[in-house]
Amino acid sequence: AQTVTQSQPEMSVQEAETVTLSCTYDTSENNYYLFWYKQPPSRQMILVIRQEAYKQQNATENRFSVNFQKAAKSFSLKISDSQLGDTAMYFCAFMKRAGAGSYQLTFGKGTKLSVIP
Amino acid sequence: GAVVSQHPSRVICKSGTSVKIECRSLDFQATTMFWYRQFPKQSLMLMATSNEGSKATYEQGVEKDKFLINHASLTLSTLTVTSAHPEDSSFYICSGLDRRNEQFFGPGTRLTVL
Repeated sequence: AQTVTQSQPEMSVQEAETVTLSCTYDTSENNYYLFWYKQPPSRQMILVIRQEAYKQQNATENRFSVNFQKAAKSFSLKISDSQLGDTAMYFCAFMKRAGAGSYQLTFGKGTKLSVIP
Repeated sequence: GAVVSQHPSRVICKSGTSVKIECRSLDFQATTMFWYRQFPKQSLMLMATSNEGSKATYEQGVEKDKFLINHASLTLSTLTVTSAHPEDSSFYICSGLDRRNEQFFGPGTRLTVL
């Protein structure tokens, strides 16, 4: 079974600074997807960024970027120029298609990020 | 991004009754939808995978007779919690999977069983 580990239960960062959230995973698969989701106090899950395992290039979305190290099974999220609205729980997630209409989905336990004004 | 709605957003019911939660993909067709459960200050736990026109696939430990899932169309999946008990109280979240294998999440349903 796949496991996803987020070793930082809580983190804080000053507004406008940069922060990196860590995520490691364990799988024997070669083709899969990795995601970072944000869950603000409203509890609405929002996709931050995604990475296909077959792509060597690290995904970026504006102020958000990842450092994907496939061999090390590491998928960290870097948030640049942190904003107050970035305060939320962040979940790392692994997904693999397991067959017709069947998926393996695992979420990490989350990192609570607080952006300090 | 695509939009997924859930209804109701909150529901309170008596122990022993059944509750139905609807999940709709509003602007895309979701052949596959997922149902999650989230306890306070915890992560999402996948309960089941719902595929349009076929039986749902349940994760280990999830009672299929208690959590009935129906995915009758490409835009609607329902979760019915049958004979609800206080331990079923939780936050239930659905998501729809688009063609790019991206999940779009509903806003969640808070279920309280008295």
